[in-house]
Amino acid sequence: GAVVSQHPSRVICKSGTSVKIECRSLDFQATTMFWYRQFPKQSLMLMATSNEGSKATYEQGVEKDKFLINHASLTLSTLTVTSAHPEDSSFYICSVLSGTGELFFGEGSRLTVL
Amino acid sequence: GENVEQHPSTLSVQEGDSAVIKCTYSDSASNYFPWYKQELGKGPQLIIDIRSNVGEKKDQRIAVTLNKTAKHFSLHITETQPEDSAVYFCAASLDNSGYALNFGKGTSLLVTP
Repeated sequence: GAVVSQHPSRVICKSGTSVKIECRSLDFQATTMFWYRQFPKQSLMLMATSNEGSKATYEQGVEKDKFLINHASLTLSTLTVTSAHPEDSSFYICSVLSGTGELFFGEGSRLTVL
Repeated sequence: GENVEQHPSTLSVQEGDSAVIKCTYSDSASNYFPWYKQELGKGPQLIIDIRSNVGEKKDQRIAVTLNKTAKHFSLHITETQPEDSAVYFCAASLDNSGYALNFGKGTSLLVTP
C-alpha cells in the first residue's frame, strides 16, 4: 500500500493566488520530508528539506518566501506556493525518508497556474 | 558535488527481452544507489536499491549490479512485460540512505508486445 499520501493530485489556480499541497507519511513518523519539483520529461529537482519542528532547508535558487514549507507534525508536511505565476506550473512531489534509509515518494501534485 | 549520468535516455525492447540501464557516478564516496520507476502522471516508485557493501542484488525479474571500482551501477530487467514501460531513474547518495539523492536524467523504457 501507499507509504506517502499527497493531496491534491491536481490543482488549477489563477495567477496571484496561493496553493497549499499536503504530504502525509502513512506508515511511519518522519522527522525529515523532502519536496521535489519535476518539469515535463525531466528529472527530479530537490527544492527543500522539511524538518519537523524547525525551519526547512532550501536548495540554492529556491525562493523560501515563495515556497513556504511547514512540517508541524511527524506525519504532515505542507508546501504552499504563494502568489503563483504560470512559470510555477509544474509537478510537485514530496518524499519521506524511512527509518531504514529508503526514500518513498508521494503520487505528486500537478499544479497549473492560469 | 556528485554527478550521476544515465544511459540510454530512451530504450525500446520487445516483450520478453531483457533491458539494461546504466548509470555512472563521480564521487567514489557514494554508498547508496536506488532505482525508481515512474509511470506517467505518478510519483516515482522505489523498485530496488543497493548499498556499496554488496555487488549485486536481485528481486524477481529485477536486478542491480554495482562496480565500485568503475563507479557505475546498472539495472537489469529480464522477461520484460508491457507494464514495465515507464521512466526509470537511478540515483546516488553519500549518506548511505535516500537523504540528498542525486538523480540521473531518466530512461524512458518502452516494451512493445
